Amino acid sequence: DQQVKQNSPSLSVQEGRISILNCDYTNSMFDYFLWYKKYPAEGPTFLISISSIKDKNEDGRFTVFLNKSAKHLSLHIVPSQPGDSAVYFCAASARSNFGNEKLTFGTGTRLTIIP
Amino acid sequence: SAVISQKPSRDICQRGTSLTIQCQVDSQVTMMFWYRQQPGQSLTLIATANQGSEATYESGFVIDKFPISRPNLTFSTLTVSNMSPEDSSIYLCSVEKGAGRGYEQYFGPGTRLTVT
Repeated sequence: DQQVKQNSPSLSVQEGRISILNCDYTNSMFDYFLWYKKYPAEGPTFLISISSIKDKNEDGRFTVFLNKSAKHLSLHIVPSQPGDSAVYFCAASARSNFGNEKLTFGTGTRLTIIP
Repeated sequence: SAVISQKPSRDICQRGTSLTIQCQVDSQVTMMFWYRQQPGQSLTLIATANQGSEATYESGFVIDKFPISRPNLTFSTLTVSNMSPEDSSIYLCSVEKGAGRGYEQYFGPGTRLTVT
């Protein structure tokens, strides 16, 4: 049962244009959402997050949008740069019994920025 | 932030053998996590390791197959026991830093395991 889904395994975008990565979730208990970026042979690195009480969070070129009613979030990167080429993972969180964030990850979208 | 190192970075092992993966953090953390990423799949949490207590395993993962040690606040090991080709994956450790909502997990570079 895949609770967090990234239906596009890959995406190619021209440099300078907007990249939009999508993520859907099914568990209404998720109340915190994160995007991670992963380069080959490296661990995922945190990019941006959003709480379920918000519908938008912006950090420089990166903006995450959350539509709770549709259980959908998206990551916008604008303008896209060659260094943005990586695999992007969407993750959703609900508090565990221990109080820590328990992350559920999507399968990732490989973004390729074309110079 | 946190700097995390893992050893080995990769290994090729024969079925039936065991491999122990080490995870070292540059600062003290309460909780460490072990994930698995099978080819083409998402990252799946194996267990949460709290210093001074037994690890808590997620559904589908058992201590006999994935024993975990957490001897101090900066170190943990994960052993993949009696390996089969289905265990071929990238294994990652991670830690949480900060408090309250809004903190994130930091990941090590991963250990790429191939079982033949």
